[in-house]
Amino acid sequence: AQKVTQAQTEISVVEKEDVTLDCVYETRDTTYYLFWYKQPPSGELVFLIRRNSFDEQNEISGRYSWNFQKSTSSFNFTITASQVVDSAVYFCALSEGSGYSTLTFGKGTMLLVSP
Amino acid sequence: NAGVMQNPRHLVRRRGQEARLRCSPMKGHSHVYWYRQLPEEGLKFMVYLQKENIIDESGMPKERFSAEFPKEGPSILRIQQVVRGDSAAYFCASSPTSGNNEQFFGPGTRLTVL
Repeated sequence: AQKVTQAQTEISVVEKEDVTLDCVYETRDTTYYLFWYKQPPSGELVFLIRRNSFDEQNEISGRYSWNFQKSTSSFNFTITASQVVDSAVYFCALSEGSGYSTLTFGKGTMLLVSP
Repeated sequence: NAGVMQNPRHLVRRRGQEARLRCSPMKGHSHVYWYRQLPEEGLKFMVYLQKENIIDESGMPKERFSAEFPKEGPSILRIQQVVRGDSAAYFCASSPTSGNNEQFFGPGTRLTVL
């Protein structure tokens, strides 16, 4: 069975600080996909990134970066120079590679960025 | 290109009533997934449908919940005889194929049962 753990329930930072959100996953599949979604206070889900299990290259997109480490089954997300607009709940999710792709979500990390 | 649409955005029902949640996938998408987000929880998979077929309903409660995705029209998640514990946000997602593509999420329907 697959499982996603986001151990940090809530993180509070001051604007311009860097912050890392942790995600640890469990799966028996060798082919799988990892995702991050952002849920701002308005409630919608915003897709941030999708990464397959064969691509361990770290990715950077503006102030966002992701560190995928298969050896520790982690897919951590770092926001550099955080801004108030980054305040949201962030979800890590996993889908296994066989067949269709239902997502298993972690419980989310609420990030509060204060001015 | 319109995104995934869900309506209503907010729905209030009294205990015992029926709730109908609608989801129109993105144009060209024939795969629909429903997820439920209980308060303070992450999203949990409920059901996966293709046009006119339920592929996987392993996450659906055994009673009172049903889903359909007809040949024409939106996908519908129906909850009969709602109870307070059904209060949650219900999200629909669509994808163009059954593979591990990005799932595009709708804005969700927030159901409140009084």
